[in-house]
Amino acid sequence: DTEVTQTPKHLVMGMTNKKSLKCEQHMGHRAMYWYKQKAKKPPELMFVYSYEKLSINESVPSRFSPECPNSSLLNLHLHALQPEDSALYLCASSQAIGPEWLFFGEGSRLTVL
Amino acid sequence: GESVGLHLPTLSVQEGDNSIINCAYSNSASDYFIWYKQESGKGPQFIIDIRSNMDKRQGQRVTVLLNKTVKHLSLQIAATQPGDSAVYFCAENLITYKYIFGTGTRLKVLA
Repeated sequence: DTEVTQTPKHLVMGMTNKKSLKCEQHMGHRAMYWYKQKAKKPPELMFVYSYEKLSINESVPSRFSPECPNSSLLNLHLHALQPEDSALYLCASSQAIGPEWLFFGEGSRLTVL
Repeated sequence: GESVGLHLPTLSVQEGDNSIINCAYSNSASDYFIWYKQESGKGPQFIIDIRSNMDKRQGQRVTVLLNKTVKHLSLQIAATQPGDSAVYFCAENLITYKYIFGTGTRLKVLA
């Protein structure tokens, strides 16, 4: 299994809702990433987990809350989002030994009304 | 030709020609670089990578060149095909686990 699976593919939520994005990989990768991508812009790093521990938080607002329940799963919990948070949220994984290219999922398209 | 505007720079090439996509990276200490292809509605797809102890690496129809002196990367695509139409991003590894993407270039292949 050589893929990163993200669900849901599309999500529409109101500013008072609580929702979660999910990401799963079964490649044995021990580093997992969340990126945010706005239209016609590059992906921007949000969070990195390595060996199930948060390694990098790029000063992301607390309305985004990541969670790594085990080495195969990565969640992004969303609460009280703003319309400007609408974007494509990309999950990626990689080996945690040395620099190596990231394997991306297809993303979750989030719209905040 | 190449155009730079308010949005993504765009490179238009004729089918069958070679394409060269350029990228300036930010940190002279970065030691690993990656090129990704992103098609509409999809996640970035790995194309080729290069470490800082190399200045050239070749794959199938693609070549990456690294010039550390001027902090410049290029991606060369030979015999460009319609399926190569996409947005291309370079990414640099700043520190462990921190991969930062460049602004991207849209490649349009003209029939």
